[in-house]
Parts: sequence; C-alpha cells; structure tokens
Amino acid sequence: GQSLEQPSEVTAVEGAIVQINCTYQTSGFYGLSWYQQHDGGAPTFLSYNALDGLEETGRFSSFLSRSDSYGYLLLQELQMKDSASYFCAVSKAAGNKLTFGGGTRVLVKP
Amino acid sequence: GAGVSQTPSNKVTEKGKYVELRCDPISGHTALYWYRQSLGQGPEFLIYFQGTGAADDSGLPNDRFFAVRPEGSVSTLKIQRTERGDSAMYLCASSPGTGVWVFYGYTFGSGTRLTVV
Repeated sequence: GQSLEQPSEVTAVEGAIVQINCTYQTSGFYGLSWYQQHDGGAPTFLSYNALDGLEETGRFSSFLSRSDSYGYLLLQELQMKDSASYFCAVSKAAGNKLTFGGGTRVLVKP
Repeated sequence: GAGVSQTPSNKVTEKGKYVELRCDPISGHTALYWYRQSLGQGPEFLIYFQGTGAADDSGLPNDRFFAVRPEGSVSTLKIQRTERGDSAMYLCASSPGTGVWVFYGYTFGSGTRLTVV
C-alpha cells in the first residue's frame, strides 16, 4: 500500500514563509506532485519532483529527497490568496495515477 | 474546451437511486481520471482511462460503481443503488497522456457534489 503524511494545518502571517512537509511510503516511487485547492474549487497543479533537489517556480518551491522518502513545499512572501489546502501526491513507476495525502490547510492572517 | 467540464455541479438523489456524472475533458487529452473527495480529505483515486479503455479501475469501491469513455473523450461515472456513504465531491481530471505527462500535472474540473439523502 501507500501512505503519505503531511501536517493538517498551518497558520502564518502575510509576508512570512511556510514549509509544508510530506513523508511517504510507497513501492515503485516515481515522483512527488503538489496541488493547491481553494475552498469549493478544483485542485490546481503547482509542481512535480522526480529527482532529488529543489525546484523553484516563482514564490513556490518544492524539494524532494528520495533516500529519505521526504519532500516539502515552500511558500514564500505569503499572500492572503495563498490561504488554501495543499496536497502532496505520489505517482508510481508502473502507472500514472496519483495517490494524494490528506492535505495541509494553510491560513494566512493579515 | 478550455478546461475540464463536469455536469451537473450538484446532484441530490435519494438512497437507492441511480446517478450518472459526466466529465468533458480538455480537447485532445487522452488520459482521464476520476477521483472522489470527502470533506477535509485528499482526493481518492477511482479509475483512469487512456483513450477508450480503463487502464486502472482498482479504486472503484465496489460493483455499484462503473465508468465508461466510449469515444475516448467524454466520460460518465455511473453509480447504482446509491448509499448515503457515496455522498462526496466527484472530481474528474485530464492530461495530454500518461507517463512523462505527470511532469505537467493534471487539470481538474470543478467537480460534482453528490448528496445522497
């Protein structure tokens, strides 16, 4: 089976930096994805890591360590619009489906 | 179309009834996925299609659930003899293909909220 662990909730103020950790257990690991979902909205793709290291896309960065079965999403210069749920998801080598974690709810305060 | 379209956006049905949920993927996307999401939880995989065929249906919870994609475009998720436990948001997503396309992410629709009363 597969399991993913991420914190349930994080609160921070505007302009701050938030790191959302994700640890996973899966056989046949292929890569780690991150999605953002606002309340009532559709999940939207943020990033994908297949290799160890940091991927940077604007204010958001994602990191993967395959040897530690661990990744994180880094949100910098937080804005009110970043208040949302963030999901990590693993994909397996044998197929293309994503298995999602339970999500981390990020609340940004003024 | 420009995005993934799901209809209806909301569906209320009585326990025991049959429902159909429709998904129109982005034009040209060959891969299509169905997920179910309960409140406060992550999306749970149900089934995915590559073209017209179901490449992996291991997430369908039981034989009351069935999905089709007869022409490789629109897909319908069918639920028979609905139960209150089937109440959830049903999400559809598409991607240009499988394999390396995971690098570019899925595009999700806004979902169908199913309520079984």
